[in-house]
Amino acid sequence: DVKVTQSSRYLVKRTGEKVFLECVQDMDHENMFWYRQDPGLGLRLIYFSYDVKMKEKGDIPEGYSVSREKKERFSLILESASTNQTSMYLCASSPGTGGFQPQHFGDGTRLSIL
Amino acid sequence: AQSVTQLDSHVSVSEGTPVLLRCNYSSSYSPSLFWYVQHPNKGLQLLLKYTSAATLVKGINGFEAEFKKSETSFHLTKPSAHMSDAAEYFCVVSPYMEYGNKLVFGAGTILRVKS
Repeated sequence: DVKVTQSSRYLVKRTGEKVFLECVQDMDHENMFWYRQDPGLGLRLIYFSYDVKMKEKGDIPEGYSVSREKKERFSLILESASTNQTSMYLCASSPGTGGFQPQHFGDGTRLSIL
Repeated sequence: AQSVTQLDSHVSVSEGTPVLLRCNYSSSYSPSLFWYVQHPNKGLQLLLKYTSAATLVKGINGFEAEFKKSETSFHLTKPSAHMSDAAEYFCVVSPYMEYGNKLVFGAGTILRVKS
């Protein structure tokens, strides 16, 4: 089974802090994704990566950056955390290109910015 | 452009009765379609996928979905609901030709199962 592991289930940070969310997958997948999930807004794509050191903006990249130095690891960075970034963050991965491959999700990180 | 409409935001059924969660999609290409389930404070788990093979797709936990191209629908069904099925369900479409395998999510349907 594919395993996508997010480093923290719950995280509390203060406004202005630089926050790192880490995600690791164990299936040698090319594609990795970061989403945020908010009540009433569903899942929104922040960034994705289809190869090491490659990244593409999703629908809501403002206030975030990402890093993919190794194939198995995809990091989401909140440069200067704000209260409106309080949310559930989900990481996912999938193999190859083409739309027939489902994404596999981690259990999420519930982030609170105080 | 691709889009997904889940026709019900909430569905309530009694334990042991059938479940129907409705999904319509719009896609320029022949799409791939998925159903995911999310239990509280957990990530999304793949229930089943349609990738242009058989139109009736069987998934985990007794769920199945039928792809109907003429109706642009991909409804999720289960013959008999169990209390453990209470969760949020997402219908998802994938644009086949795009690189990077981006997905388009429906807004979700919350399934409540009454004892």
